[in-house]
Formats: sequence, structure tokens, C-alpha cells
Amino acid sequence: AQTVTQSQPEMSVQEAETVTLSCTYDTSESDYYLFWYKQPPSRQMILVIRQEAYKQQNATENRFSVNFQKAAKSFSLKISDSQLGDAAMYFCAYRVEGGATNKLIFGTGTLLAVQP
Amino acid sequence: DTGVSQDPRHKITKRGQNVTFRCDPISEHNRLYWYRQTLGQGPEFLTYFQNEAQLEKSRLLSDRFSAERPKGSFSTLEIQRTEQGDSAMYLCASTGLVNEQFFGPGTRLTVL
Repeated sequence: AQTVTQSQPEMSVQEAETVTLSCTYDTSESDYYLFWYKQPPSRQMILVIRQEAYKQQNATENRFSVNFQKAAKSFSLKISDSQLGDAAMYFCAYRVEGGATNKLIFGTGTLLAVQP
Repeated sequence: DTGVSQDPRHKITKRGQNVTFRCDPISEHNRLYWYRQTLGQGPEFLTYFQNEAQLEKSRLLSDRFSAERPKGSFSTLEIQRTEQGDSAMYLCASTGLVNEQFFGPGTRLTVL
């Protein structure tokens, strides 16, 4: 069974600094996608960044980038130049490629606080 | 606003009552998902529709839970004889050709 583990329940970063959120996963599939979702307080979940497992190049989206280590089954999120608006719960998620449902499997989340 | 909408946003009910939630996906999206999120946890998959067909149900979805998507548009999730353990945020997501799931704001259920 596929599982996603986020070992950091809470993280804190100073505004304008860089923070890295960790995620590991377990799967026997070779083709899959990994995601980081952001869930601000009382607001809906939005996609931050996605990574296709077959791509060796790490995905980047503006201040957000990932470090994807396929062999280690590790998928960390780096937020550069942190802003107050980055404060949220961050979820790492996985889905198999070509599956019947494409359902997402989520980790337990990391609550990120940004200090002014 | 053309995003995923859910109604109601909050529901407080007494144990043993039935509740029904509604999800309106993005109009051209043919795939719809329900997830449940309890405090301190990530969302967990409940069920999946492709158009009007319910193609997968999680073991989390007990006999008291039923979901429908009658015309392949909006979906409803009903919980019968609610229990305190049903208290959670119920999230709906939809996806189209791109396969990215867009989430609604959720319905927060509190069972007293």
C-alpha cells in the first residue's frame, strides 16, 4: 500500500528566509505523481507544485521548489524568501499514474508559521 | 467564481440525525472526489465518480454513507444516523482532462 509520511508536524521560519518541508513516501509503482498542497486557515486547499516521477529535473514554481530523490523516496519542498502569506498547513500527496481513480494519498501535514 | 463549491460550509447536528452535503464541481470536469479530513490529519479518500458512475468507494465509507452524482454534474454525500466520530471536514474535488484536482472549501460537520 502506498503511504506518505510528513515527519514535521510544525515548522517556523522568519520572513524572507528559506524553509524546507520534508516528505517521504512508499510505493512499489514506477509511474506516479507527487504534489505539495497548501491549506491556509479556513480556506480551500490549493496546489503549490507537482512532480512527475519520470522526470529527473526538480520542479520549480517561483519561490517554491522541490528536491525529488526517487531512489530514497523523498520529496521535500523548499520555500525561498518566505512571506507572511505562506503561513498555512502544507500537505504532501501522491497518486499513481494511470490508475483507475487517480485518488490522492496525503500525508498528515506540516503547519508552517512565518514570523515577521 | 467558477471553482468547486460546497454547501453548507458548516453543519452542526445531533447524533443520530441524517445530514446531506452538496458539491458542485467545475462545470467541465467529469471526475469528482470526496475526501474526509479529521483534525490533525491529511484528507482521506472516500469515493470517486466519473460522470454519474461511482467507480470506487473506500473502506472508510460505511453503510451509513451514500454518495450520488445523478446527472454527472453536482454530487451529494449523505450520512445517516450520524455518530460523533463522523465529525470532520468533508472535501470535494474535481478534475478534468489535465488531471489536477481542484478542491472546494469543504463542509465542516460537527456531531454533538
